[in-house]
Amino acid sequence: DADVTQTPRNRITKTGKRIMLECSQTKGHDRMYWYRQDPGLGLRLIYYSFDVKDINKGEISDGYSVSRQAQAKFSLSLESAIPNQTALYFCATSDFPGTSTQETQYFGPGTRLLVL
Amino acid sequence: EDKVVQSPLSLVVHEGDTVTLNCSYEVTNFRSLLWYKQEKKAPTFLFMLTSSGIEKKSGRLSSILDKKELFSILNITATQTGDSAVYLCAVYEGAQKLVFGQGTRLTINP
Repeated sequence: DADVTQTPRNRITKTGKRIMLECSQTKGHDRMYWYRQDPGLGLRLIYYSFDVKDINKGEISDGYSVSRQAQAKFSLSLESAIPNQTALYFCATSDFPGTSTQETQYFGPGTRLLVL
Repeated sequence: EDKVVQSPLSLVVHEGDTVTLNCSYEVTNFRSLLWYKQEKKAPTFLFMLTSSGIEKKSGRLSSILDKKELFSILNITATQTGDSAVYLCAVYEGAQKLVFGQGTRLTINP
């Protein structure tokens, strides 16, 4: 079973609709992240959470919100979707500080979102 | 502004060739540099580099970091078609966030 799962894997929605992307992990990691990937722009950080009570804005948080329902779950919401939010969305986790002095992030399979 | 720049953005070579991918960075408080391989969807971790001049190796892949000149290279020797992917470089900066480069799309032709 995958350690980091995302649902749905693909989604088509219309402008103005509210949608939620979900991320679950069985790795027991405290840190979770949401990224979006657009062609030619690499990965950009939307929000991140270092534990259940901690939520931080990333590079491009406008138009998005998140909820950390439990250590294992981190959801990303688009309150009113717009076409330029069409992208590939990744969730990631890390166990830092854990047993390492450096952090490595582990990614989910991604959600491909199309906003019409 | 923190910045990670990869070059080239795209590279096409023949099977058996050796390739070098470049990553330069400007971040506030450097902590470490990571290389990922992205084939279809999720990136998979390759290397993490924290110290200058120490080469990390995994099979035909190797990577090294130069903290004075602020860059890293990823080498792939005797390339195979299965090496075709997007290679992502990312740098951890002082606020414990990962900043990604645009990626290098590598295509290996048989």
